[in-house]
Amino acid sequence: GAGVSQTPSNKVTEKGKYVELRCDPISGHTALYWYRQSLGQGPEFLIYFQGTGAADDSGLPNDRFFAVRPEGSVSTLKIQRTERGDSAVYLCASRGTGTGHNEQFFGPGTRLTVL
Amino acid sequence: QQQVKQSPQSLIVQKGGISIINCAYENTAFDYFPWYQQFPGKGPALLIAIRPDVSEKKEGRFTISFNKSAKQFSLHIMDSQPGDSATYFCAAISGTYKYIFGTGTRLKVLA
Repeated sequence: GAGVSQTPSNKVTEKGKYVELRCDPISGHTALYWYRQSLGQGPEFLIYFQGTGAADDSGLPNDRFFAVRPEGSVSTLKIQRTERGDSAVYLCASRGTGTGHNEQFFGPGTRLTVL
Repeated sequence: QQQVKQSPQSLIVQKGGISIINCAYENTAFDYFPWYQQFPGKGPALLIAIRPDVSEKKEGRFTISFNKSAKQFSLHIMDSQPGDSATYFCAAISGTYKYIFGTGTRLKVLA
């Protein structure tokens, strides 16, 4: 079966612009996570969805960042008024339920570059 | 409390040697400790994981050693191969959501 997919794979934008990053989780996975990975660092948690609702958004750095998952499947991470410091790889992961439910499966990421 | 400290930052090992990466944590509520492997341009992929009620777990050439009292755990890669060259992240999780990742170890195995 297909893994987690993310589009676009690369996004270059100018400072101040709005961007949307998309994540398609593994089919049937109810839990979805967004992480941000800066160069040379480990992924940092941004937000966690269980179904359609954001169960934990404590990692979002400020109110320019917002994420939705309206039908409990695909999720979109939205960044307003982008800043150069937002440049990073944005990773999405999904998790199923049942045995081994702690494992998160990661997508390849979207590399965001803000000029 | 939420940090996971990982060392070394980089590691060079000869082919056939043993690679050892260490992690330490503070939060005793963490109950699942995975290791992820990441190749350039790819997302992290689960390598092996352990729960705190077990002191060691082995899968093929990969072993996790876990010391609950010291709040430390380590990854050992036996008979390291050039194909193992990647960045390795330890992580910890409490409950069923967000991972707290270490800062990563860039491993290079020389042929």
